[in-house]
Amino acid sequence: EAGVAQSPRYKIIEKRQSVAFWCNPISGHATLYWYQQILGQGPKLLIQFQNNGVVDDSQLPKDRFSAERLKGVDSTLKIQPAKLEDSAVYLCASSSSSNQPQHFGDGTRLSIL
Amino acid sequence: GNSVTQMEGPVTLSEEAFLTINCTYTATGYPSLFWYVQYPGEGLQLLLKATKADDKGSNKGFEATYRKETTSFHLEKGSVQVSDSAVYFCALMNNAGNMLTFGGGTRLMVKP
Repeated sequence: EAGVAQSPRYKIIEKRQSVAFWCNPISGHATLYWYQQILGQGPKLLIQFQNNGVVDDSQLPKDRFSAERLKGVDSTLKIQPAKLEDSAVYLCASSSSSNQPQHFGDGTRLSIL
Repeated sequence: GNSVTQMEGPVTLSEEAFLTINCTYTATGYPSLFWYVQYPGEGLQLLLKATKADDKGSNKGFEATYRKETTSFHLEKGSVQVSDSAVYFCALMNNAGNMLTFGGGTRLMVKP
């Protein structure tokens, strides 16, 4: 079974620029999650999708972050404009349903200069 | 709200030593509890889980018992290997089963 795929693995941008991350979940997984993991901390949930609908985005800084999962499969997370404090690893996870174990991708490490 | 507290690392052990990583939680109701492991440069991998009080999760020689009376889920392994060096995260899932809350992680370093 192929795992959760994320790209790019690394991204370096300057503050105020925009950036986008892509996630392809495990085939058939209806639930998709985006997490932010700041260095030395545990992952923090940003947004959860069930198919193409948003279940929870209460922790998403909506003034600069956006995410979509238009066809209920792939998802993109965008930051515009980026701030220094956005430097983190962005992890995507998926599960077959919301109460099943989550499978994580390798993440995208974002550095803001 | 829900929260998870782990012992701070790094934890440095010699190969074949006994490992304990403490984890306590605060939650309403009866959450499910998990341990995830993160190897350098990789995402999190589910190590083990327990869904109700007194359940013991186990995998690859690691064990953790869901203790409701002490709200704990400590991770143990009888004999660690160098390959166990990683960051370990304790996590709980809320009653609705739709949100994972992670602890801050504990880095384990095992020396030959």
